[in-house]
Amino acid sequence: SQQGEEDPQALSIQEGENATMNCSYKTSINNLQWYRQNSGRGLVHLILIRSNEREKHSGRLRVTLDTSKKSSSLLITASRAADTASYFCATDPPSGGSYIPTFGRGTSLIVHP
Amino acid sequence: NAGVTQTPKFQVLKTGQSMTLQCAQDMNHNSMYWYRQDPGMGLRLIYYSASEGTTDKGEVPNGYNVSRLNKREFSLRLESAAPSQTSVYFCASSEFEFSYRGPGTEAFFGQGTRLTVV
Repeated sequence: SQQGEEDPQALSIQEGENATMNCSYKTSINNLQWYRQNSGRGLVHLILIRSNEREKHSGRLRVTLDTSKKSSSLLITASRAADTASYFCATDPPSGGSYIPTFGRGTSLIVHP
Repeated sequence: NAGVTQTPKFQVLKTGQSMTLQCAQDMNHNSMYWYRQDPGMGLRLIYYSASEGTTDKGEVPNGYNVSRLNKREFSLRLESAAPSQTSVYFCASSEFEFSYRGPGTEAFFGQGTRLTVV
């Protein structure tokens, strides 16, 4: 079963607009990560946010985490055509032991030039 | 750095044939993983290896076997391929194992193997 689920499944915007996608998860976590996947390629790590952090920035990316709602959001500001990709959140397992990245189904983002 | 290298990139098999997908990482990572990605299903974990010498089943292990040959290499074998195994397969690795949490646990992915079973 998948721990994290991204929403919406698909998002289509114009270049220059902001893109927001969300991730909801079921059980407590230690950290949450966001990844990007360009068509036909492997996933690339974007950003990690710890459970004791509420917001984190990296360039045009802004990630928020609300542990009370078990949700996270990824905001891409001033989007570019090159941001067209699928975006996944990953959480660590709910119990202790080995760290195993567990992914949702992803949000497919299309940025029109 | 090459990162995570998967071979082959593409493969077509007939039902019942066997094959091994190879994966190697040059980052001295402890943990390695095999995922499959199907349309609408996201990535599902097949097997993982938390450290050299150990392997464990993931969410969808049936029809697959794995070998952690050494710290660098983690192979995935299909003994008798079935059309349901048509998918894109990704190998990944991460630095830390067990209960460590935080930076350093991000996963690095290979470019994928597109497998078609006819």
